[in-house]
Amino acid sequence: QVQLQQPGAELVRPGASVKLSCKASGYTFTSCWINWLKQRPGQGLEWIGNIYPSDSYTNYNQKFKGKATLTVDKSSSTAYMHLSSPTSEDSAVYYCTRFYYVYGDSMDYWGQGTSVTVSS
Amino acid sequence: DVVMTQTPLSLPVSLGDQASISCRSSQSLTYSNGNTYLHWYLQKPGQSPKLLIYKVSNRFSGVPDRFSGSGSGTDFTLKISRVEAEDLGVYFCSQSTHVPLTFGAGTKLELK
Repeated sequence: QVQLQQPGAELVRPGASVKLSCKASGYTFTSCWINWLKQRPGQGLEWIGNIYPSDSYTNYNQKFKGKATLTVDKSSSTAYMHLSSPTSEDSAVYYCTRFYYVYGDSMDYWGQGTSVTVSS
Repeated sequence: DVVMTQTPLSLPVSLGDQASISCRSSQSLTYSNGNTYLHWYLQKPGQSPKLLIYKVSNRFSGVPDRFSGSGSGTDFTLKISRVEAEDLGVYFCSQSTHVPLTFGAGTKLELK
């Protein structure tokens, strides 16, 4: 079955970069876009961007350019999001999701989310 | 960016009631190929969101038929015919027609 596995939590010092992971299984990793989203407590969802693992083509929300960098490792079927110079505004839950064209580019599978806390 | 406006933000219901959630977009969500990429998700407390409806009116695998979606252009609706306890949570509409993808603020379906 399709799974997107994310670590549950990360504690990050302000200004220190962090790389979040999303390990995919149960399908052909290179055939579906991976999206990254941000959710702050009690708030809605923000789309950060997505990446196509086959060729690493990326799309970014302008708001997150310079903040987030998306990469993949095809050998391990893992997607990564690097957050640079984190501040308290970056404390949030980050989800990876899959886009599947069969379901009209909707996000049919979600990871459990990584809760990032930026604190000294 | 396309703004997605959901109403109401809170929807108190009794079990067995019908519930209806509206989602309006600031631009048409009909793509040049004729498809409308408007989707609905449900987030239960402590969980990640899950796909309910894709492309306006298509139920995702395993979603009960008491859920239905409708609409076109900029005006969309999610209906739950008879609310059950497992339906409680926050419902989000989302569009993937335009980049950046955007979400509504969410509608919290809760018991009266």
